[in-house]
Amino acid sequence: EVQVVESGGGLVQPGGSLRLSCAASGFSFTTYDMSWVRQAPGKGLEWVSVIRIRDGSTYYGDSVKGRFTISRDNSKSTLYLQMNSLRAEDTAVYYCTKGAHLDYWGQGTLVTVSS
Amino acid sequence: DIQMTQSPSSLSASVGDRVTITCRASQGIRNSLGWFQHKPGKAPERLIYAASSLESGVPSRFSGSGSGTEFTLTISSLQPEDFATYYCLQHNTYPYTFGQGTKLEIK
Repeated sequence: EVQVVESGGGLVQPGGSLRLSCAASGFSFTTYDMSWVRQAPGKGLEWVSVIRIRDGSTYYGDSVKGRFTISRDNSKSTLYLQMNSLRAEDTAVYYCTKGAHLDYWGQGTLVTVSS
Repeated sequence: DIQMTQSPSSLSASVGDRVTITCRASQGIRNSLGWFQHKPGKAPERLIYAASSLESGVPSRFSGSGSGTEFTLTISSLQPEDFATYYCLQHNTYPYTFGQGTKLEIK
């Protein structure tokens, strides 16, 4: 059974940092691109970032470029999102998703940026 | 960036109704489009990929069509479990972009 489980969310002050993790199981992690998507309270879905398996290339949404870094540890089947210089508008549920086209999603982890 | 314009933003319908949701891309995206269903407190689920291919396990009352810049999601006969928010996603060009969402409510 495919599973992706996010962790690492919580309350952080503006300007602070947080690292999210996503533990994957039930599929061959080393053969899939992996992505992060978020949803701010009362808002729609927003694509955040992808890391491609073919060449390790990474891409980011405009609102997080230069502040967030996506990475993966294939030996641990784990995806990461390092979030720096956090702002109030980064408050959201962050979802880990499998595949280039987001074919499977985790339950999400809540990040709250507030003083 | 490619803009995805989704309409309507909300829709009231009854069980048994046929409903259609539309997404328009600001430039051609071939058939690089997916449709997702999202219920409060749950993980979003992909219903349709490649614009018109039904995800395994998704009921056949869901269908997708379109190519280029115009896409539609149709639910042929609404069931109680279909009341949710629906999103389109273009995955032709980075950054990927979602439509604004359509909240489907019970009339």
